[in-house]
Amino acid sequence: NAGVIQTPRHKVTGKGQEATLWCEPISGHSAVFWYRQTIVQGLEFLTYFRNQAPIDDSGMPKERFSAQMPNQSHSTLKIQSTQPQDSAVYLCASSRDSNSDYTFGSGTRLLVI
Amino acid sequence: GDSVTQTEGQVTVSESKSLIINCTYSATSIGYPNLFWYVRYPGEGLQLLLKVITAGQKGSSRGFEATYNKEATSFHLQKASVQESDSAVYYCALASNMGYKLTFGTGTSLLVDP
Repeated sequence: NAGVIQTPRHKVTGKGQEATLWCEPISGHSAVFWYRQTIVQGLEFLTYFRNQAPIDDSGMPKERFSAQMPNQSHSTLKIQSTQPQDSAVYLCASSRDSNSDYTFGSGTRLLVI
Repeated sequence: GDSVTQTEGQVTVSESKSLIINCTYSATSIGYPNLFWYVRYPGEGLQLLLKVITAGQKGSSRGFEATYNKEATSFHLQKASVQESDSAVYYCALASNMGYKLTFGTGTSLLVDP
């Protein structure tokens, strides 16, 4: 069991560029979550998929951010026209179902310059 | 909305001494939330340390304990004798309503002096 795999570990983008972050959940886990961690806001919920379907995206910024889960083996978080305030650690987590304990990935540290 | 408060950003404790990290919460949903402590050791990912889903109960793991106090809306983390290997960042969290969305505190960085 390799755990939740997030790639890349680090990403540097120029302001205005697009960034795509990848997450491979644990096999057999039906729930996938994205969180963001910044010094100012701390750890914040972004979005949740169950069986690949988007269930709750209440934490996603209304513009420029989108998340997808095209198959059970990976999810992506895409940020268009990145801004310096998007710099953060983006964490993906999965669980067997929505009421089970999460397993977090190691995160992707995004720096927008 | 839900909120979790950790008042100490950084704590330094000498090895073998006792530890308490404070956590209070506010939950807007009907019923009692599930409460968690997560830990991030240096160089590692965030991992669950312990959880309690029933008010009044105590959870324990790796020598740490936390009691779900619904009257005080608190979930303080305690350990009787810390070790250098306990140096890490500790996050208190809750899940209410649907149960899947975690609300985290700001974290407490613990440094254990050898």
